[in-house]
Amino acid sequence: DAGITQSPRHKVTETGTPVTLRCHQTENHRYMYWYRQDPGHGLRLIHYSYGVKDTDKGEVSDGYSVSRSKTEDFLLTLESATSSQTSVYFCAISITSGELFFGEGSRLTVL
Amino acid sequence: GEDVEQSLFLSVREGDSSVINCTYTDSSSTYLYWYKQEPGAGLQLLTYIFSNMDMKQDQRLTVLLNKKDKHLSLRIADTQTGDSAIYFCAESSKYSGGGADGLTFGKGTHLIIQP
Repeated sequence: DAGITQSPRHKVTETGTPVTLRCHQTENHRYMYWYRQDPGHGLRLIHYSYGVKDTDKGEVSDGYSVSRSKTEDFLLTLESATSSQTSVYFCAISITSGELFFGEGSRLTVL
Repeated sequence: GEDVEQSLFLSVREGDSSVINCTYTDSSSTYLYWYKQEPGAGLQLLTYIFSNMDMKQDQRLTVLLNKKDKHLSLRIADTQTGDSAIYFCAESSKYSGGGADGLTFGKGTHLIIQP
């Protein structure tokens, strides 16, 4: 157990509303990631962080922003949710420089 | 850019061996990984192999790496109903920050177990 908690686990929202997903870890790992999982696409990296206030874009970052003000929390924000952002979102941490451990996922539905 | 390819479905009989294949494009990948995802759950790291190895065995799991052909396979011996899941192949990606690479994943192979 890598001590990763995602919240909320399920959310239904309407197009145009802001949404924030939270990833919390208990073990002070430096590297954290947000992925989305969609049928036919597998997992795709949205954003990642390599320390407090140090973040960078992944493959599918458009429409998303992130913040990391504390080591333990990595927030993913959809400023104005769209139906194309309906997905399952996974947070992950890296203990070494490659191996990732994942949270249980947050299922987001945008109507 | 990097790409990881897997077939989408594999159907095997209970008790037989399952072989899940993966091809990748980044010859500089240091580690290659296999993850398992059960319904409604996150991804669980099954095993990984360092790029200078040809084979790694861990109980019922055998990983084979052909670096020349950029081909990775996962063999599950004596497949059981509990092995039914999606299996993802992954490699270190170009998205690096401070030395820590994220991973590039294949689309996943659904392993279906027939009784």
